[in-house]
Amino acid sequence: NAGVTQTPKFRILKIGQSMTLQCTQDMNHNYMYWYRQDPGMGLKLIYYSVGAGITDKGEVPNGYNVSRSTTEDFPLRLELAAPSQTSVYFCASSYSSGTGAYNEQFFGPGTRLTVL
Amino acid sequence: KNEVEQSPQNLTAQEGEFITINCSYSVGISALHWLQQHPGGGIVSLFMLSSGKKKHGRLIATINIQEKHSSLHITASHPRDSAVYICAVRNYGQNFVFGPGTRLSVLP
Repeated sequence: NAGVTQTPKFRILKIGQSMTLQCTQDMNHNYMYWYRQDPGMGLKLIYYSVGAGITDKGEVPNGYNVSRSTTEDFPLRLELAAPSQTSVYFCASSYSSGTGAYNEQFFGPGTRLTVL
Repeated sequence: KNEVEQSPQNLTAQEGEFITINCSYSVGISALHWLQQHPGGGIVSLFMLSSGKKKHGRLIATINIQEKHSSLHITASHPRDSAVYICAVRNYGQNFVFGPGTRLSVLP
């Protein structure tokens, strides 16, 4: 299994440009997450999904959009890039059976985004 | 006050030392997750626990639900343990809240 993969690894954007960060997992996990990590700060949840077709906002969703058309893929879209979106972005996935079992998250390698 | 706090922020140890990293949280939780972030940036899950104690190799994690506190111990530390250690708590929703991390450097 490849686990959680993310592309690209690095990207530089100009203010106002758009891009999509790709995330794919091959573990048949129902839950997927997007986080951003700013220097010296903890990971902040941007959006999450509990299954295909279902997404919800996290703590810092402004400026981002997501979709979940398949179990495997959870792309994150930045429509009008701003310098405040300069960060490292991590995608993660986990499995929940819905019975309250506590399942660990598996993380992708991250995408380092700079907006100039 | 942050929901999840970790101490110390930074820690330098000599190879072989016993290391303790602490995590305190202020909300009710259903589980607590310890993660390791390598110098290259990758994040790896170490433990997920909701009570008691777990051990894996030289790593031990404990949690005291009543005191809202967890510790991560590393025995016989080694330079390859150098990383950022992150505590995350799962609230009663779907999501995790992450601490700021503890940066550990183990010197040979």
